[in-house]
Amino acid sequence: GAVVSQHPSWVICKSGTSVKIECRSLDFQATTMFWYRQFPKQSLMLMATSNEGSKATYEQGVEKDKFLINHASLTLSTLTVTSAHPEDSSFYICSARDPITSYEQYFGPGTRLTVT
Amino acid sequence: AQSVTQLGSHVSVSEGALVLLRCNYSSSVPPYLFWYVQYPNQGLQLLLKYTSAATLVKGINGFEAEFKKSETSFHLTKPSAHMSDAAEYFCAVSDKRDMRFGAGTRLTVKP
Repeated sequence: GAVVSQHPSWVICKSGTSVKIECRSLDFQATTMFWYRQFPKQSLMLMATSNEGSKATYEQGVEKDKFLINHASLTLSTLTVTSAHPEDSSFYICSARDPITSYEQYFGPGTRLTVT
Repeated sequence: AQSVTQLGSHVSVSEGALVLLRCNYSSSVPPYLFWYVQYPNQGLQLLLKYTSAATLVKGINGFEAEFKKSETSFHLTKPSAHMSDAAEYFCAVSDKRDMRFGAGTRLTVKP
């Protein structure tokens, strides 16, 4: 089956620094990937849609200058949290759209970000 | 815009009892519906999906869900709960643009 990986699985960084999270589709090409954010005991909230070779589309209320998304290849999308603050601490999950059906997504295992 | 509503943020059942987790959807186009399970500090695991074929969908771990268009529902059931079923469950609706999740239902299984 389709596998999506994320790296790192967890990261701790100091306030004011930037951190990059990678999302890879391992056995298929994904022209579209998605980034979600999940706070404790809450649901997944879509942050942005990442399209290979073009600018990401951000959901309302998500700061595009703070959450930089790059989708430079058909198997890799990255999310960079710039100048991280404690309120950015969260569980970040990426997914890749099924290239055949388009309606299904395959999810990565998530990245736990803690900003101290 | 599409959306799903999960009724009941927390459901508690006894081991061996019926599990029923409720999900209602809103969609302007024929929906694709999903149920996912999430264990603590882990990603999402797909339980089952409805893709306009059979209205009764069977998934993994003994779960199943029935698509009822007249009720705009896609409730998840399992005849007999197991302790290992304790987790967070999310219903989701997708079109070919994006996927939207319900608020989630935490299932507790009592011995």
